[in-house]
Amino acid sequence: DAGITQSPRHKVTETGTPVTLRCHQTENHRYMYWYRQDPGHGLRLIHYSYGVKDTDKGEVSDGYSVSRSKTEDFLLTLESATSSQTSVYFCAISESSVYTEAFFGQGTRLTVV
Amino acid sequence: SQQGEEDPQALSIQEGENATMNCSYKTSINNLQWYRQNSGRGLVHLILIRSNEREKHSGRLRVTLDTSKKSSSLLITASRAADTASYFCATPDQGAQKLVFGQGTRLTINP
Repeated sequence: DAGITQSPRHKVTETGTPVTLRCHQTENHRYMYWYRQDPGHGLRLIHYSYGVKDTDKGEVSDGYSVSRSKTEDFLLTLESATSSQTSVYFCAISESSVYTEAFFGQGTRLTVV
Repeated sequence: SQQGEEDPQALSIQEGENATMNCSYKTSINNLQWYRQNSGRGLVHLILIRSNEREKHSGRLRVTLDTSKKSSSLLITASRAADTASYFCATPDQGAQKLVFGQGTRLTINP
């Protein structure tokens, strides 16, 4: 398995609280992605990074921010969690963007109550 | 916006039969990738087919790509119970910076 770890694996939080999810890789891959997966919507890209401090928005970025201060870590922050952000979040990494395979973490199940 | 769309959304077959899933996409692509997701797990890469390839094999998997029709198919031969999973196609977006996934085909193999 590719060296990619998500933490926490499960989290329950209250509406309005900030939440940070962490993705850590040991593969030294340049590209890192955050997706959310919801029934009926498949996988949707939230944000991605193409290098340290280089990030860009995906299709569902509202309410989320990211940071990448080191190659190995990509953080996803929900500034003020809402119930609509209850989802399963996946981190993925790839060596050269769309030209090679992506490796996925095991996911974080987030519940906002 | 969704680039790849899988069809059917769900497929149920008997063990030993072949399973075929299709993916359609909208714009020109450099490659198309197929992934599998077992329940409660992350996605696992299965196969990547480049735009200049028409067919690719990996074990019991056969992928075809028809760039003129903007479509791809994934064939799993001699299915097993362990093949029960969701299957996703992924294609590069217009800017070629990121992959865009379809909603997936949920495959169930009945014993």
